[in-house]
Amino acid sequence: AQTVTQSQPEMSVQEAETVTLSCTYDTSESDYYLFWYKQPPSRQMILVIRQEAYKQQNATENRFSVNFQKAAKSFSLKISDSQLGDAAMYFCAYRSGGSNYKLTFGKGTLLTVNP
Amino acid sequence: DAGVIQSPRHEVTEMGQEVTLRCKPISGHDYLFWYRQTMMRGLELLIYFNNNVPIDDSGMPEDRFSAKMPNASFSTLKIQPSEPRDSAVYFCASSFLFGAGGYTFGSGTRLTVV
Repeated sequence: AQTVTQSQPEMSVQEAETVTLSCTYDTSESDYYLFWYKQPPSRQMILVIRQEAYKQQNATENRFSVNFQKAAKSFSLKISDSQLGDAAMYFCAYRSGGSNYKLTFGKGTLLTVNP
Repeated sequence: DAGVIQSPRHEVTEMGQEVTLRCKPISGHDYLFWYRQTMMRGLELLIYFNNNVPIDDSGMPEDRFSAKMPNASFSTLKIQPSEPRDSAVYFCASSFLFGAGGYTFGSGTRLTVV
């Protein structure tokens, strides 16, 4: 079974600075998808960014980018120019590329943004 | 589109009572998922449907839990009888088959069983 590990329970960053959240996963599959979700205090789960395993190019979405290292099974999220609104719980998630549409989540990293 | 709609947003019930959580997925999405979130266990998949058919219910904790999807626009998660350890946030999410799309989540139902 696939597992997703987020080794940083909590992180903090100064406003306007850059922070990187770590995620590793374990799988024997070659075709899969990886995601980062944000959960602010409102508890709404918001998709931040996605990465297809077959793509070598790292995904970017405005201030959010990933460092996808397939061989190392690592998928970190970089947030540039951090804003107060970025404060939230961040979850890394894995989905198989096959017929199983289950999303497996890590335990999450709580990000605090200091003014 | 209004997104995935869950009701109620909060539910407080007494132990032993029946609880029904409701979900309306995004129109056109053919996958529907029920997740439970707790501090101890994080986000756990309970069950998911494809085209209204249950595909994987291995995450349903026990027989007290049941889920149905009578049509493409409605699903329920029922707990009978409820217990204090069922207290959690329950999320519904939907997705469509093709592409690398993640799920779209509802805003969740916070269930408290006293």
